[in-house]
Amino acid sequence: EPEVTQTPSHQVTQMGQEVILRCVPISNHLYFYWYRQILGQKVEFLVSFYNNEISEKSEIFDDQFSVERPDGSNFTLKIRSTKLEDSAMYFCASNPSGSQETQYFGPGTRLLVL
Amino acid sequence: AQTVTQSQPEMSVQEAETVTLSCTYDTSESNYYLFWYKQPPSRQMILVIRQEAYKQQNATENRFSVNFQKAAKSFSLKISDSQLGDTAMYFCAFIFQRRAGNMLTFGGGTRLMVKP
Repeated sequence: EPEVTQTPSHQVTQMGQEVILRCVPISNHLYFYWYRQILGQKVEFLVSFYNNEISEKSEIFDDQFSVERPDGSNFTLKIRSTKLEDSAMYFCASNPSGSQETQYFGPGTRLLVL
Repeated sequence: AQTVTQSQPEMSVQEAETVTLSCTYDTSESNYYLFWYKQPPSRQMILVIRQEAYKQQNATENRFSVNFQKAAKSFSLKISDSQLGDTAMYFCAFIFQRRAGNMLTFGGGTRLMVKP
């Protein structure tokens, strides 16, 4: 069964450094998402992406964040200058046609900012 | 704005017993979908079950079923014949039919412990 994959599974970085989190959505899916979950808290929406542009973003998704689909398979989340409060689990998700369809989640990347 | 509330931070159940997790939501939308996701210790988010708001029939998926009360804006998850592998965080989530690329709104989660 096809699944969303994410790399790396864990990343440790120094405050102020740039990180890129990578996702490979399910191949026939057209809508992609990033969510984050700070330890012990609820899962929060960051951004949705379709047809090479952002379709919706939350207030968390400020100028420090960007997303890109650099090729036909990868979907990336970049944090330009990490802060301590960016430490969280970051989940990528995808679905075939957006709207109310089920979003399928990847296994997550655990980011720790020191 | 939509909100999802899970009032039970933690619950426990004996193996083979039945447990019900509560979820309420607040929305002015009429067309929406509701989901239960499971997050085991590995922290992966796994879809358990989904319910379309326009359907009166409650969704069922093997040992998992929901009690969807649209007027009360309530969406509880019943787990029958609980198994040790059901130990996880359970998140209720909501999405409304506005346009494509909509975000899921999650509740705060319920930590379920299944005891042998």
